[in-house]
Amino acid sequence: GAGVSQSPRYKVAKRGQDVALRCDPISGHVSLFWYQQALGQGPEFLTYFQNEAQLDKSGLPSDRFFAERPEGSVSTLKIQRTQQEDSAVYLCASSLSGDNSPLHFGNGTRLTVT
Amino acid sequence: AQSVTQLGSHVSVSEGALVLLRCNYSSSVPPYLFWYVQYPNQGLQLLLKYTTGATLVKGINGFEAEFKKSETSFHLTKPSAHMSDAAEYFCAVSDRGRTGGFKTIFGAGTRLFVKA
Repeated sequence: GAGVSQSPRYKVAKRGQDVALRCDPISGHVSLFWYQQALGQGPEFLTYFQNEAQLDKSGLPSDRFFAERPEGSVSTLKIQRTQQEDSAVYLCASSLSGDNSPLHFGNGTRLTVT
Repeated sequence: AQSVTQLGSHVSVSEGALVLLRCNYSSSVPPYLFWYVQYPNQGLQLLLKYTTGATLVKGINGFEAEFKKSETSFHLTKPSAHMSDAAEYFCAVSDRGRTGGFKTIFGAGTRLFVKA
């Protein structure tokens, strides 16, 4: 497609459930980023990939969060045993190369944990 | 480590007035700087960027920003606000992390209100 696609657009999970959020980056984009955006806040860095390599995962809040990009294109962010504090919008962004290219964002997945 | 500070979570201006949104950054290496805009119910989109060269950068919709190394600032301005400029604006800094590749960090955002 023409842009970054994220699915699902909305996700409601009961506390303790596992969720998987998908990101389809722009074709050919080398770098892929995941951010968490709480209401009224800026995007908080979670992790990023260059091709299939996860170069930095320092922003993942706990070991319940896991991200992968096995073939260097589609990425999945998995959250195990969801907690209420995980409720947020999860944004995916991709960029053309591993340098200072601007980020292209998807519309995000809004996760609500009840 | 990188960080970004946006002064003022909310800014309100009258239509036709100057827009000034403030951003200060810290980075251990020469940074790349960006402004992104988020309109209601839309994703973030690039407004402008500074990489190297001219320190005054022009972006879309009449916005511009000036990189001032001595002040570690990258403030966003527009001479005359329009109602359609009402949105959330995010300043971001990107530099090469220790593990390679470029990591982008965002400020908390400034919501711009434009009064008729």
